[in-house]
Amino acid sequence: NAGVTQTPKFQVLKTGQSMTLQCAQDMNHNSMYWYRQDPGMGLRLIYYSASEGTTDKGEVPNGYNVSRLNKREFSLRLESAAPSQTSVYFCASSEVADTGELFFGEGSRLTVL
Amino acid sequence: AQRVTQPEKLLSVFKGAPVELKCNYSYSGSPELFWYVQYSRQRLQLLLRHISRESIKGFTADLNKGETSFHLKKPFAQEEDSAMYYCALNTRYQKVTFGIGTKLQVIP
Repeated sequence: NAGVTQTPKFQVLKTGQSMTLQCAQDMNHNSMYWYRQDPGMGLRLIYYSASEGTTDKGEVPNGYNVSRLNKREFSLRLESAAPSQTSVYFCASSEVADTGELFFGEGSRLTVL
Repeated sequence: AQRVTQPEKLLSVFKGAPVELKCNYSYSGSPELFWYVQYSRQRLQLLLRHISRESIKGFTADLNKGETSFHLKKPFAQEEDSAMYYCALNTRYQKVTFGIGTKLQVIP
């Protein structure tokens, strides 16, 4: 039972390159989230998926797209990476959408040069 | 709009001293508040929630609606308490808002 698994753990990109962060959970949770963590700014919600088949913007969605591939998987795509997207990205899941109890992945450290 | 404020980015205390990590929130509805903790090189995890009114690892937090606060307290700090602590607010709109976090450093 791995919980929430994110890949890759580290990635370096050049400005303008694209990449996808993968996230999978094995807890049969309905809701999934992508956050970014920046020094002095805490965790900010990028996108979330309240249930399979739905996605919604969070606080900082610009420059990102998401796909809820199935109940288990929720990916985050950067179409044209920018240095401002250098951050640590966390995927999280919760049993239902209206709970504050989130289960986090280990994080993915992304550097955009 | 909902907001969570953690006024201290860094809090240093000596081992055995009391700890209080401050959290204030802004939300017009009925709040649901949490504390999350991130130990070094570990994932973020839930520490406690105001609804359960429990004590976890010696930490407690009481929701004060009048002062809109949810401070995290522990009477005697331990070295293993050193970590990053995030206060979080859950609302009915399916979003959890986090504060900027407070790094707790327990000095031996």
